Amino acid sequence: GDSVTQMEGPVTLSEEAFLTINCTYTATGYPSLFWYVQYPGEGLQLLLKATKADDKGSNKGFEATYRKETTSFHLEKGSVQVSDSAVYFCALTAGNQGGKLIFGQGTELSVKP
Amino acid sequence: DTEVTQTPKHLVMGMTNKKSLKCEQHMGHRAMYWYKQKAKKPPELMFVYSYEKLSINESVPSRFSPECPNSSLLNLHLHALQPEDSALYLCASSREDRAGGGYTFGSGTRLTVV
Repeated sequence: GDSVTQMEGPVTLSEEAFLTINCTYTATGYPSLFWYVQYPGEGLQLLLKATKADDKGSNKGFEATYRKETTSFHLEKGSVQVSDSAVYFCALTAGNQGGKLIFGQGTELSVKP
Repeated sequence: DTEVTQTPKHLVMGMTNKKSLKCEQHMGHRAMYWYKQKAKKPPELMFVYSYEKLSINESVPSRFSPECPNSSLLNLHLHALQPEDSALYLCASSREDRAGGGYTFGSGTRLTVV
């Protein structure tokens, strides 16, 4: 079945460091890909999305590119802030599963001043 | 309005209590979802309503009973819960074409069963 694999955390970075969180997927058909962020004590927020190969999603300085050839959707940010500390979830929906949202395991990011 | 609103934010209940969680959205989304989330784990799908009809029940115990009174409201009725049911319960909604648009999540109800 369809699945998402994320790099394990926790990830600890200093402020202004470069961030990469790896995400790869397995899916039949043509999934849409998402990154969700969950700040402490809150629900999930959609951070960015891409619906077809080579699309780049971006928001709040974060970027991810839909790479069909490597089945990847890695999240990057050039300079993280303390306020970026959160859990990040990579996810996909596939039309052949009725649009069910399938999550990776989540990566906890901690940014130190 | 681009939000999903969940009430209450926190709930403590005994194992013999009956309580309800509420979820509301006014984005015109026709699919609504209940998820259960344990700390730092991904959300687990419980129920899906599509056009106010239950379309998916992920083998959830009968002590959880969903209800969709209209296209904007979703309830989750709780009865005779166990301590292991303590978790964050998230509601979400999406358009009919949910494959591409993504889901909008509420901020959740943090449930503690004592």
